[in-house]
Formats: sequence, structure tokens, C-alpha cells
Amino acid sequence: EDQVTQSPEALRLQEGESSSLNCSYTVSGLRGLFWYRQDPGKGPEFLFTLYSAGEEKEKERLKATLTKKESFLHITAPKPEDSATYLCAVGGGADGLTFGKGTHLIIQP
Amino acid sequence: ETGVTQTPRHLVMGMTNKKSLKCEQHLGHNAMYWYKQSAKKPLELMFVYNFKEQTENNSVPSRFSPECPNSSHLFLHLHTLQPEDSALYLCASSPTGGGDQPQHFGDGTRLSIL
Repeated sequence: EDQVTQSPEALRLQEGESSSLNCSYTVSGLRGLFWYRQDPGKGPEFLFTLYSAGEEKEKERLKATLTKKESFLHITAPKPEDSATYLCAVGGGADGLTFGKGTHLIIQP
Repeated sequence: ETGVTQTPRHLVMGMTNKKSLKCEQHLGHNAMYWYKQSAKKPLELMFVYNFKEQTENNSVPSRFSPECPNSSHLFLHLHTLQPEDSALYLCASSPTGGGDQPQHFGDGTRLSIL
């Protein structure tokens, strides 16, 4: 059974204070690892797909990396508008995705 | 309209009511999904349709009944629900099924069972 564990559950940072979110996974044949952002009252918004160990993707202040056991979402010099819940998901043998519980990120001005 | 649209956004119903949730995608995708999101729990996959054929039923109780008349529309028919069914129900779509493509989500229907 595919499993995804995200840490920390919650993270409070000062504006400009860089940090990383972790996503550990076990899957029988990784087909893709996905990062999403979810704002209150909204559905998850797609950020990145990673397919193989060593791959990296960047978008503005966010950078996602992948190893054979985990993925990191690095946030550089965050702003208050980066506050959201960040979700990690893996695609394995089945058609759907397996999600973690998410990291609730708060960036204080 | 673009993206994935879900209606209604909010629904309150009694345990004996029958209601339906609707999802429509304007992305030209061929796979559609229903997920349940409850507080403190990860998104739970409920159903998957790929080219209108159901390919996954994740042990969902029969009081939830999906329908996919075409690749652009997905319904979730609800009857005789329980209080623990209160949650955010999310619809998603992707170009095809398989876990190698990102899924694009609607904003969900917030369901409350009285």
C-alpha cells in the first residue's frame, strides 16, 4: 500500500525566513510525485511534478527536489502570500493519487 | 469557463435526503476523480473514471453512487448519508488515468449532514 508522510504538520516562519517541507513516501513503482498548494475554501492547486530521483523543479520562491525515499519543498525568502497548506502526493500502480496530510505554513510579516 | 467547476459549493442535507454533486471539466481531459477531504486526514480517493469507465472504487459505501455520462461530466449521487460523511468533496481531472500525470482540482462541495 502506498504511503505518504509529511512533516512538519505546521510551520510558522517570519517573512524572509527560508525553510523546507518534507515528504517521505513508500510506493510500489513511483510514477510521479506531485506538490500542491491549498488555500482555505479552495481545491488543491497544482505546483510541480517530479518523476525521478535527482530531478528538481522551481517556480518563483519554491523549489522541489526528489530522492528515492523523499521529496523536499524548499521555500526561499517567503512572503505572507505563501501562507497555505502544502500537499504532497504520489502516483503508483493505480489510477488515483495517494496524498499526505499536508503542512500548514504560516508566514508572518 | 475554464478548469474544473463543482456545484453546489455548499450543501446541507438530512440523513434521509437524496442529493447529487456535479463536476464539469473544460480541460479536454479523459480521466475524472472523486476525493473526500476530512479535517486532520489526507485526501481519500473514492472513485476513478477513465474514458467514462470506472476503474477504481476505493471501498466506498453504496450510499455514494458515481455517474460519468461523458468525459467532461461527473456526478456523485448521495442517499441515506451518515453524520461522518460530512466533509469537503473534491473532483479532479487529468489527461488520462495512471499516476504519472497531475490532477487538476475543483474547489469542492462542502457537505454537512444533519
